[in-house]
Amino acid sequence: RKEVEQDPGPFNVPEGATVAFNCTYSNSASQSFFWYRQDCRKEPKLLMSVYSSGNEDGRFTAQLNRASQYISLLIRDSKLSDSATYLCVVSGSGSARQLTFGSGTQLTVLP
Amino acid sequence: DADVTQTPRNRITKTGKRIMLECSQTKGHDRMYWYRQDPGLGLRLIYYSFDVKDINKGEISDGYSVSRQAQAKFSLSLESAIPNQTALYFCATSDTTGGYGYTFGSGTRLTVV
Repeated sequence: RKEVEQDPGPFNVPEGATVAFNCTYSNSASQSFFWYRQDCRKEPKLLMSVYSSGNEDGRFTAQLNRASQYISLLIRDSKLSDSATYLCVVSGSGSARQLTFGSGTQLTVLP
Repeated sequence: DADVTQTPRNRITKTGKRIMLECSQTKGHDRMYWYRQDPGLGLRLIYYSFDVKDINKGEISDGYSVSRQAQAKFSLSLESAIPNQTALYFCATSDTTGGYGYTFGSGTRLTVV
């Protein structure tokens, strides 16, 4: 089983749609959680951290369910510029706390 | 200037050649990482370093070596390049906690022919 699993997609949605991505992780001791965005052939960039209480940044809402080891990202009112691959990222436990990256979910927002 | 700079941006090399990829950062972070990315496989950790005297293997270190020349510099070497090392390579940095995520360089696209 992969440490971080995501639906690879692709998700093709019309502009203005709401789209949700899900992610599961296997290490119950993981401490930090993130969503990254990666444009084609570019470096991953931090989109948002994910907190247990859930958090929102504009059109983006992230949720964490530690009991189910499940993370989600909701994008409302999709824009063409949201087209990218979204990476679910989880840290390890202990002093190392390295990040493990999911393979990503590809999103294309259509005009 | 970018916080994390990788050189070269693109490189084509022949099988059996030694090649070095370089990374420098201005974030002042202690921790640095090298990843490779292949289509459908996501980012996989090659090596990481928590300070100048600390080097650790990641999940796919075979065929690679690294050098941490200074806090700001972390280079990755392919001692004898092979075609299945063709990939996109990223360097990244983080603070000690890692709780703020990683900052990535722009990547090096390496092709081994």
